[in-house]
Amino acid sequence: TQLLEQSPQFLSIQEGENLTVYCNSSSVFSSLQWYRQEPGEGPVLLVTVVTGGEVKKLKRLTFQFGDARKDSSLHITAAQPGDTGLYLCAVHFSGNTPLVFGKGTRLSVIA
Amino acid sequence: ETGVTQTPRHLVMGMTNKKSLKCEQHLGHNAMYWYKQSAKKPLELMFVYNFKEQTENNSVPSRFSPECPNSSHLFLHLHTLQPEDSALYLCASSQAGGGETQYFGPGTRLLVL
Repeated sequence: TQLLEQSPQFLSIQEGENLTVYCNSSSVFSSLQWYRQEPGEGPVLLVTVVTGGEVKKLKRLTFQFGDARKDSSLHITAAQPGDTGLYLCAVHFSGNTPLVFGKGTRLSVIA
Repeated sequence: ETGVTQTPRHLVMGMTNKKSLKCEQHLGHNAMYWYKQSAKKPLELMFVYNFKEQTENNSVPSRFSPECPNSSHLFLHLHTLQPEDSALYLCASSQAGGGETQYFGPGTRLLVL
């Protein structure tokens, strides 16, 4: 069974703080995607990482793909209330299999 | 606007009703998906259609019946549902049925009384 764990499950922080959320797998995967889901909407893609050790930046968001291709982190600098939402990681393990989603980290940024 | 639309956005139905959820994608994709999203559970993949052929059925009860008449449209027919079926039902599409980026609709919030 290919497991995907996200931590923490819930996170509530003040505006301006930094935070990191994690996505870990029991198996190596070929690519990983991070999505954000706002209340009342479907998930929206933030980034795709495919190379071990890869780091991608999207404004205040920094995404890292572990060297062993079994984990990833998302770091947000100076969080803002607009960052509030459910952050989902999704991995593609191999072949023609669909994405596997984690349970997500529910982030709340308080002004 | 992701190019994937779902109707209705909200639905309340009794356990004896029959209803259908509709999904349409305007992205020229060949794969479409139904997911169930409940509180405290990860996204549950229900069905995958690739080039109109069903390629995944993750042990979904027969009271959920999908239909994919063409690559742009996907339906989920519902009948004799249970209260535990109340959830957000999300439709997604991707270029093909592998690990490509999936584009999600806004979902249908379903309440079964």
